[in-house]
Amino acid sequence: DAGVTQSPTHLIKTRGQQVTLRCSPKSGHDTVSWYQQALGQGPQFIFQYYEEEERQRGNFPDRFSGHQFPNYSSELNVNALLLGDSALYLCASSSRQFNSPLHFGNGTRLTVT
Amino acid sequence: GQQVMQIPQYQHVQEGEDFTTYCNSSTTLSNIQWYKQRPGGHPVFLIQLVKSGEVKKQKRLTFQFGEAKKNSSLHITATQTTDVGTYFCAGDTNAGKSTFGDGTTLTVKP
Repeated sequence: DAGVTQSPTHLIKTRGQQVTLRCSPKSGHDTVSWYQQALGQGPQFIFQYYEEEERQRGNFPDRFSGHQFPNYSSELNVNALLLGDSALYLCASSSRQFNSPLHFGNGTRLTVT
Repeated sequence: GQQVMQIPQYQHVQEGEDFTTYCNSSTTLSNIQWYKQRPGGHPVFLIQLVKSGEVKKQKRLTFQFGEAKKNSSLHITATQTTDVGTYFCAGDTNAGKSTFGDGTTLTVKP
């Protein structure tokens, strides 16, 4: 039973560029949430997708956008990258029907130079 | 917006000593979860508490949810080196999103 998988594991981008991160949820899960974790801090909620729609959003600018596909996988897009966007981006899946807790992937480490 | 605060930020203990971390929310929660993140790893779910005043145990770990459903604690008895990591609480409101605290980082000296 595959857990949550994220790609890529590491990424280095330049200020102003755009990036796409990918996530496949745990088998049986239908909800995907994205979190940003800066060094020494807790994960900060970006948004949540369910039934291919954004259902909840945290305090992140419109430069952060996402998508969920019919197979429940998801993408996080960040435009016009800033140095402050450097962080670990975590994808977490859950089951809305069973109100399950979050299962996290290993994350994508994004470095913006 | 909702805020979740954890104390202490860091805790250094000698192996065999007890450890407690506290979590406080600015709003009433529908449930609270606890996660553990090892250095270089990702958060791993430990437990979820739903009922007011609930207490749950997992071997040496004891989790409590406050009567007002605004605070929680995690207590580890007789710490071991395998307990090293950062412990996060995450609170859910009925809005359905989890708000994480900044965690308590535990180091254990053998």
